Amino acid sequence: GAGVSQSPRYKVAKRGQDVALRCDPISGHVSLFWYQQALGQGPEFLTYFQNEAQLDKSGLPSDRFFAERPEGSVSTLKIQRTQQEDSAVYLCASSLKAYEQYFGPGTRLTVT
Amino acid sequence: GENVEQHPSTLSVQEGDSAVIKCTYSDSASNYFPWYKQELGKRPQLIIDIRSNVGEKKDQRIAVTLNKTAKHFSLHITETQPEDSAVYFCAAVTGGGNKLTFGTGTQLKVEL
Repeated sequence: GAGVSQSPRYKVAKRGQDVALRCDPISGHVSLFWYQQALGQGPEFLTYFQNEAQLDKSGLPSDRFFAERPEGSVSTLKIQRTQQEDSAVYLCASSLKAYEQYFGPGTRLTVT
Repeated sequence: GENVEQHPSTLSVQEGDSAVIKCTYSDSASNYFPWYKQELGKRPQLIIDIRSNVGEKKDQRIAVTLNKTAKHFSLHITETQPEDSAVYFCAAVTGGGNKLTFGTGTQLKVEL
């Protein structure tokens, strides 16, 4: 079946622009996660949804970052007023069971 | 919070040899330990996982061991092949939540 998909795959933004990154989880997966992966590093947790409820947003680095999953399926990660330090790969993962998380291909964000 | 350390950061083996990657974690409440393989520019791929009530798990050429007392777990790859070359990440999930805390990754290179 189809895996987790993300769009766009690449995004270049000028500093100060807003961006929106989309995640389509595996159908039926209740849990959805966003991670940030800097070059040469492991993914770092940003936020977690169970259905439409955002249960943990402790990893969001600032109030410029906002995530939503209004209907419990597709999720959007929005970054306002992008800064150069926001440049990274943003990974989405979904899970049916409690722990097994399956990742999407990521969106590579470059802020110039 | 949880802290996961991983070593070595790079590992080079000859084809057919075994490879071992080790991780330690800090939170004794952690109860799930997945391993991910990430090829350059690709998504992290779940290759094996272990829960805290099990000491060892094997899947063909891949095995994972867990020592809860010492708070460390290891990935073992036998009969390595060139296609095993990738970055491997260990991770841990704490019982109170579902977020993954990743290690810093091991670049494995299998040489012919």
